[in-house]
Amino acid sequence: EAQVTQNPRYLITVTGKKLTVTCSQNMNHEYMSWYRQDPGLGLRQIYYSMNVEVTDKGDVPEGYKVSRKEKRNFPLILESPSPNQTSLYFCASSLKLPRYSNQPQHFGDGTRLSIL
Amino acid sequence: GIQVEQSPPDLILQEGANSTLRCNFSDSVNNLQWFHQNPWGQLINLFYIPSGTKQNGRLSATTVATERYSLLYISSSQTTDSGVYFCAVQLNNAGNMLTFGGGTRLMVKP
Repeated sequence: EAQVTQNPRYLITVTGKKLTVTCSQNMNHEYMSWYRQDPGLGLRQIYYSMNVEVTDKGDVPEGYKVSRKEKRNFPLILESPSPNQTSLYFCASSLKLPRYSNQPQHFGDGTRLSIL
Repeated sequence: GIQVEQSPPDLILQEGANSTLRCNFSDSVNNLQWFHQNPWGQLINLFYIPSGTKQNGRLSATTVATERYSLLYISSSQTTDSGVYFCAVQLNNAGNMLTFGGGTRLMVKP
């Protein structure tokens, strides 16, 4: 089954404790991205990747890191989480860049992070 | 300024009613998609529609790219249609990102 898998689904942690949210897709997609969703602000893009070893900042990259060592995986890293990073996070993928793709974005089921 | 704007922000319908959701965008687009976020938070792609009209069951969508808007029609609404509807666009002036509108929160009452 074609899917985007995020882990964990829920996490409560404390300020400053490094964490990683994993994202994996099994569709051989080139384009992957991370969003955060906050009440009243909709979904905002954090980082995206156009292919292996190619990443770029989205609208709200501060406090986050990503890597794309393999095509299927795109982990989101919070080196020193802070309470303002409490949010619902989504990973998404599509065959190619949205600019060139006539294929839809596929979203994971979301990761709810609470930073105390 | 606002690049993708959706209206109305909130909508309450009686089951069986029809509705139209609107998405305005500030520049020409290469890509436009409509999503439904269900009450469990999952985002489901409804349409890829940078131009023209598509239909899928009780849902249809129309994008008039030259006038910079897209419409999502829901006919004979059901309680399972409740949730938040987002449009997302790849604007020509926005690099390689998808930009989401603020969403329309729909509640369908039985």
